[in-house]
Amino acid sequence: AQSVTQLGSHVSVSEGALVLLRCNYSSSVPPYLFWYVQYPNQGLQLLLKYTSAATLVKGINGFEAEFKKSETSFHLTKPSAHMSDAAEYFCAVKAGNMLTFGGGTRLMVKP
Amino acid sequence: EAQVTQNPRYLITVTGKKLTVTCSQNMNHEYMSWYRQDPGLGLRQIYYSMNVEVTDKGDVPEGYKVSRKEKRNFPLILESPSPNQTSLYFCASSSGPNTEAFFGQGTRLTVV
Repeated sequence: AQSVTQLGSHVSVSEGALVLLRCNYSSSVPPYLFWYVQYPNQGLQLLLKYTSAATLVKGINGFEAEFKKSETSFHLTKPSAHMSDAAEYFCAVKAGNMLTFGGGTRLMVKP
Repeated sequence: EAQVTQNPRYLITVTGKKLTVTCSQNMNHEYMSWYRQDPGLGLRQIYYSMNVEVTDKGDVPEGYKVSRKEKRNFPLILESPSPNQTSLYFCASSSGPNTEAFFGQGTRLTVV
């Protein structure tokens, strides 16, 4: 069985500030990890994925995430928030045929 | 353009009236899945399919049916919808078991 926990259902940052969205997972097998973004009234779009090649993964729109096995974490970061980053972000773990999502974190960016 | 297409995007129906939400992908993907999204719960997998005629239950399959008669299509069937199935539904496809999933635009279903 696998599970994903995203700490903080809502995160608010100022434009230009660091974005940090937290994700912890549990998995009985080596996981594949993903971050997806959902803009209002749209489907989910892949931001980045970890597939065991490198622990620091760079994605689209300046986001990156670091896989830390010892902490079972895969936190998402961006050095400088932009207004267009306001959206809901989902961390997901895939093992075999099951893709399990966290509860989501809504990111708000203040001008 | 590679895409996953769901129809309809919005649907309001009454309790007990059978409905089908269609999903089609043009990427020749073997894997397809259905999810429901509810506030605070993220997305939960309803059913998935690994290939034609091969389907299996996800985390929340009760009250739903699926079929996979063709590789590109994976319809979701609610035989007797109930108000607790009011939700936002997403179809997704992927090329393999541990590859990224591509999502449709979603179907917002309201059961009254």
